[in-house]
Amino acid sequence: DAKTTQPTSMDCAEGRAANLPCNHSTISGNEYVYWYRQIHSQGPQYIIHGLKNNETNEMASLIITEDRKSSTLILPHATLRDTAVYYCIVRAINDYKLSFGAGTTVTVRA
Amino acid sequence: GAGVSQSPSNKVTEKGKDVELRCDPISGHTALYWYRQSLGQGLEFLIYFQGNSAPDKSGLPSDRFSAERTGGSVSTLTIQRTQQEDSAVYLCASSAGTAPGTEAFFGQGTRLTVV
Repeated sequence: DAKTTQPTSMDCAEGRAANLPCNHSTISGNEYVYWYRQIHSQGPQYIIHGLKNNETNEMASLIITEDRKSSTLILPHATLRDTAVYYCIVRAINDYKLSFGAGTTVTVRA
Repeated sequence: GAGVSQSPSNKVTEKGKDVELRCDPISGHTALYWYRQSLGQGLEFLIYFQGNSAPDKSGLPSDRFSAERTGGSVSTLTIQRTQQEDSAVYLCASSAGTAPGTEAFFGQGTRLTVV
């Protein structure tokens, strides 16, 4: 009953933008899109979240389609330290659980 | 300030023994979570504490697993009569709440190996 679908893996060149897609076609109106990442041997790290507007912070940008059925996380200038598993999570406003799927393994190459 | 601290970082135990894993959340955070991550797998929700409310234990895999949170701060996850399938990384997270924007901060985890 996964709420999100992400590619299993992707490569990115160092210094280039990394665009990570996520499909959430059954998202409800009260559900937010969250992104976390997990660098090897570390706990997950929050990146960004959004409801329907595009969001940007110091780490990344989140682009959500108008119908909210998909989104893209953008790492503007990928570095080797961005190599990690990236999780796209849908969570309702009144829900406390973060349900992690398999995520996308992103490998940034020099 | 200090992040979420978990101890021990690594634990090797014999099958059948009991183990206790400790989590020190960020000061002032009312919400605390335990997750488990088996080798090469995603994160599996175990239990959630929020303030003085009854915890959500729905993710605990068996009655050998229990957790408590004393004084709304430190939490201990106890696994009794450990089995080899309990081997995993146990992750603790805390947050100031659950409203959007109150992100969860994770510790580095405790790697449990049952031999």
